[in-house]
Amino acid sequence: AQSVAQPEDQVNVAEGNPLTVKCTYSVSGNPYLFWYVQYPNRGLQFLLKYITGDNLVKGSYGFEAEFNKSQTSFHLKKPSALVSDSALYFCAVRPLGDYKLSFGAGTTVTVRA
Amino acid sequence: DADVTQTPRNRITKTGKRIMLECSQTKGHDRMYWYRQDPGLGLQLIYYSFDVKDINKGEISDGYSVSRQAQAKFSLSLESAIPNQTALYFCATGRSGGPTGELFFGEGSRLTVL
Repeated sequence: AQSVAQPEDQVNVAEGNPLTVKCTYSVSGNPYLFWYVQYPNRGLQFLLKYITGDNLVKGSYGFEAEFNKSQTSFHLKKPSALVSDSALYFCAVRPLGDYKLSFGAGTTVTVRA
Repeated sequence: DADVTQTPRNRITKTGKRIMLECSQTKGHDRMYWYRQDPGLGLQLIYYSFDVKDINKGEISDGYSVSRQAQAKFSLSLESAIPNQTALYFCATGRSGGPTGELFFGEGSRLTVL
């Protein structure tokens, strides 16, 4: 069975500083990896995905994520955080051939002005 | 209009009552899912359906049932609600035939069972 760990419940950064949200996964075979963002009182919105190819994936709103197979990680990054990036971020994984996503517990990001 | 619409958005009910949460989508996707969100636990899969005649249990299906009335409609029922079913419920859709499998979520239905 697949699983996702987001080791930090909360991440606090100052506006303009780099933002990193950590994610590690466990899955049999090749993983498909996703990041979603949830703003208050809203549903989850897709940010980016890793399927295959380049380990650095670029997504919406200036976010990117790096797939590291040896460390089974898929950390989300943004070079310069904005106050509007404050939200709840979820990492998700699904194995090849399976269409059920498994989500991490989420990381609350707070960007202070 | 939203692509994935959930009704009601908020509901307060009492223990033992039957509750139905409805989901409709205009994305034309064949796959539909119901997730439950609890603080600190992320999203847990309740049920999923890959087409009208295909219904599957997820991680936490006990106490829940679903109905796929049409390709665009997928409802979740709590036959006899209990307080620990108080949570935020999300419907999601996905498209078959492609490798990527990202899901598209509704705005959520917040259920409180007293």
